[in-house]
Amino acid sequence: NAGVTQTPKFQVLKTGQSMTLQCAQDMNHNSMYWYRQDPGMGLRLIYYSASEGTTDKGEVPNGYNVSRLNKREFSLRLESAAPSQTSVYFCASSAPSRVGETQYFGPGTRLLVL
Amino acid sequence: AQSVSQHNHHVILSEAASLELGCNYSYGGTVNLFWYVQYPGQHLQLLLKYFSGDPLVKGIKGFEAEFIKSKFSFNLRKPSVQWSDTAEYFCAYYRWNYGGSQGNLIFGKGTKLSVKP
Repeated sequence: NAGVTQTPKFQVLKTGQSMTLQCAQDMNHNSMYWYRQDPGMGLRLIYYSASEGTTDKGEVPNGYNVSRLNKREFSLRLESAAPSQTSVYFCASSAPSRVGETQYFGPGTRLLVL
Repeated sequence: AQSVSQHNHHVILSEAASLELGCNYSYGGTVNLFWYVQYPGQHLQLLLKYFSGDPLVKGIKGFEAEFIKSKFSFNLRKPSVQWSDTAEYFCAYYRWNYGGSQGNLIFGKGTKLSVKP
């Protein structure tokens, strides 16, 4: 049981390049999330997927797209990377219930855009 | 806008000192509150959570938190810190959407804890 996995761990891009960050979970969770973490800003939600086939914008969606490929996988795509997207990206998953939910996080992807 | 405030940006303590990290949230509805910890170079791990019931919640590694509804607070405490507690600590509030449908986590900006050996 690996939990939430992310690839790659580290990536350097030039401005304007594109890339896809991959996330997979093996906990049979319905919900998946993408966050970015910047110094002094905490974690901010980019996009989330409540269930397979649905995606919704979070707090900072501009410049990103997502795909919920199946129940296990949720990818984040940067179509044209900008230096402002230099950050650490975390994927998370959860199994919501009526009383609440706990999100479990992956190890993160460090992205540097030059 | 709903928010989570963590009062201290950086806390420095000596080993065996007591710890209290403040957290306030701005929403008065159904509360799901969390403390996560991020050790250097690692991902976020759940320390503890409060959904309902006893307002004093015990988590892993000797941490506990107290939910005080009247103060909109969920402060994290540990009686005696260790060098290995050096990490960044995040308070988070789960915001439900209207009608009780799934919402999302709102994070505070984090508090860095440095414990001197």
